[in-house]
Amino acid sequence: KNQVEQSPQSLIILEGKNCTLQCNYTVSPFSNLRWYKQDTGRGPVSLTIMTFSENTKSNGRYTATLDADTKQSSLHITASQLSDSASYICVVTLQTGANNLFFGTGTRLTVIP
Amino acid sequence: NAGVTQTPKFQVLKTGQSMTLQCAQDMNHNSMYWYRQDPGMGLRLIYYSASEGTTDKGEVPNGYNVSRLNKREFSLRLESAAPSQTSVYFCASSGDRSYNSPLHFGNGTRLTVT
Repeated sequence: KNQVEQSPQSLIILEGKNCTLQCNYTVSPFSNLRWYKQDTGRGPVSLTIMTFSENTKSNGRYTATLDADTKQSSLHITASQLSDSASYICVVTLQTGANNLFFGTGTRLTVIP
Repeated sequence: NAGVTQTPKFQVLKTGQSMTLQCAQDMNHNSMYWYRQDPGMGLRLIYYSASEGTTDKGEVPNGYNVSRLNKREFSLRLESAAPSQTSVYFCASSGDRSYNSPLHFGNGTRLTVT
């Protein structure tokens, strides 16, 4: 069964600290993996996309990694800011099929001063 | 450039009432989608439209209908609302159905059915 699991469900960190969010998936055949950021009361916004051949990709203070062999991805946030408080959603795309996106339930990150 | 615009932002319905959620995008995207988001669950696809004039069912289509009015607009209708349809509804669009094209989401409609 195609599934995407994220951990932890929620996380509280101090401003300025780093954190890592995890995404494990069983989706196959894999096409790509995307991380979205969802602020409270808003729609998700794409942060980064990882394709099969990519191991690491950065977007400012956000760095995503992908291990296609173990079917794991992580999102590392460096020097967190209050504005990083949001839900982070992992979405995996199948290579085929009409309904080919699989969403994780998200990690709720709270950055406190 | 507003992106994806959804109306209304909030709605309260009584069981059995009907309503239409509106969505419009100004990015000239071919594909549009309706999702619902419930606590503890990932976004679930209700319906999608790969191009103007076509619509297809997603994972949870029961109790909903859609209309792709033109390339810009994609509406979602609840004919007879039920409490199980209490949720946050998101419209999204993408440039095409290619696998690397990101989804652009609206800011959601928060629907409560009593």
